[in-house]
Amino acid sequence: NAGVTQTPKFQVLKTGQSMTLQCAQDMNHNSMYWYRQDPGMGLRLIYYSASEGTTDKGEVPNGYNVSRLNKREFSLRLESAAPSQTSVYFCASSEPPSALNTGELFFGEGSRLTVL
Amino acid sequence: KNQVEQSPQSLIILEGKNCTLQCNYTVSPFSNLRWYKQDTGRGPVSLTIMTFSENTKSNGRYTATLDADTKQSSLHITASQLSDSASYICVVSGPLGGYNKLIFGAGTRLAVHP
Repeated sequence: NAGVTQTPKFQVLKTGQSMTLQCAQDMNHNSMYWYRQDPGMGLRLIYYSASEGTTDKGEVPNGYNVSRLNKREFSLRLESAAPSQTSVYFCASSEPPSALNTGELFFGEGSRLTVL
Repeated sequence: KNQVEQSPQSLIILEGKNCTLQCNYTVSPFSNLRWYKQDTGRGPVSLTIMTFSENTKSNGRYTATLDADTKQSSLHITASQLSDSASYICVVSGPLGGYNKLIFGAGTRLAVHP
């Protein structure tokens, strides 16, 4: 199994350009997440999708939009990229956390985005 | 404010030596604590998950401990190998069912030298 697959792995954008990061998981998980990782900081949640058909804002949603296309796929869109969005983006999936399930996260390999 | 603080920020040890990484948290309420390993240029991979009722959990040469009273956790690596060079991230989970309640530490970067 591939687990969580993200594309592209690297991208360079100019300020104001738009792009979409793609994420797909083959573990039949209900929940999917987008995080960003910046130097010296912990991962921060941008958006999450608890289940197919739902999306919710995380800690740092400004400047981003998401689409839960189906159970497998969860995309992150930057409509007008800014230098502050230079970061490494991680997609993750899990079963929903509950009394019987810790909701262990499975991460993709990351997408490294530079905005000039 | 819910926080997860890890120490040291970075650590260099010689191959074969043991080391201990620390994690202090203020997250409340708390449901579980996780340790992840992140190799350079890769995504984090889970090492252990402990609930508030567990004091210790092992995964091979990795042993995590948890003191829920003092809100401290440690990750002990025994007989280190070159492949242990990575960042180790402590993650504390808030209430059950809280999809957005994971608080990530900034990580400890470990370098194992031959």
